[in-house]
Amino acid sequence: KNEVEQSPQNLTAQEGEFITINCSYSVGISALHWLQQHPGGGIVSLFMLSSGKKKHGRLIATINIQEKHSSLHITASHPRDSAVYICAVRWSRAQKLVFGQGTRLTINP
Amino acid sequence: NAGVTQTPKFQVLKTGQSMTLQCAQDMNHEYMSWYRQDPGMGLRLIHYSVGAGITDQGEVPNGYNVSRSTTEDFPLRLLSAAPSQTSVYFCASSIFVGGVYEQYFGPGTRLTVT
Repeated sequence: KNEVEQSPQNLTAQEGEFITINCSYSVGISALHWLQQHPGGGIVSLFMLSSGKKKHGRLIATINIQEKHSSLHITASHPRDSAVYICAVRWSRAQKLVFGQGTRLTINP
Repeated sequence: NAGVTQTPKFQVLKTGQSMTLQCAQDMNHEYMSWYRQDPGMGLRLIHYSVGAGITDQGEVPNGYNVSRSTTEDFPLRLLSAAPSQTSVYFCASSIFVGGVYEQYFGPGTRLTVT
């Protein structure tokens, strides 16, 4: 069992829909990252969370430390949001990141 | 700042050949790492370094060597390439700020071993 589980693995939606991607992890963490990777592209860090909620444009990331769960939301989704979204956690007192397998999001016009 | 740079972007090797993937960062980050990304596997840590002169193995170190002679550079060496090393390789650096590590990724190197 992967220590970091993402769901769903694949998600296809229509332009304008509200998108939610989930990430669960197994032990205490110092931080959680949401990353974005476009097809054939590099990896961009979207958010780094240790508690609460962060918002950047149409993207919102939340984390519940007690439940060991984080969500990434996209409002008013657009085809350019099509990418793989990766959750990564840094265990408490560790420098290394552990990655989820990613969620492939496709937004159709 | 150029951030994290990687060269080359693409590379094709024959089995048994050796090569070095270059990684550099100009942000004075102490922590650098190499990952490989394979379909269905997510990103896996190959080697990492917590500062110049210090390296350690990650999750999948076999077949790879690293060195860290300067803060800026962290090259990854494949001594004798194998088809199982066909992958996309990402270099990353991070810095401890405000109690957490901020992570920066390079653009990746797509390696094919035939």
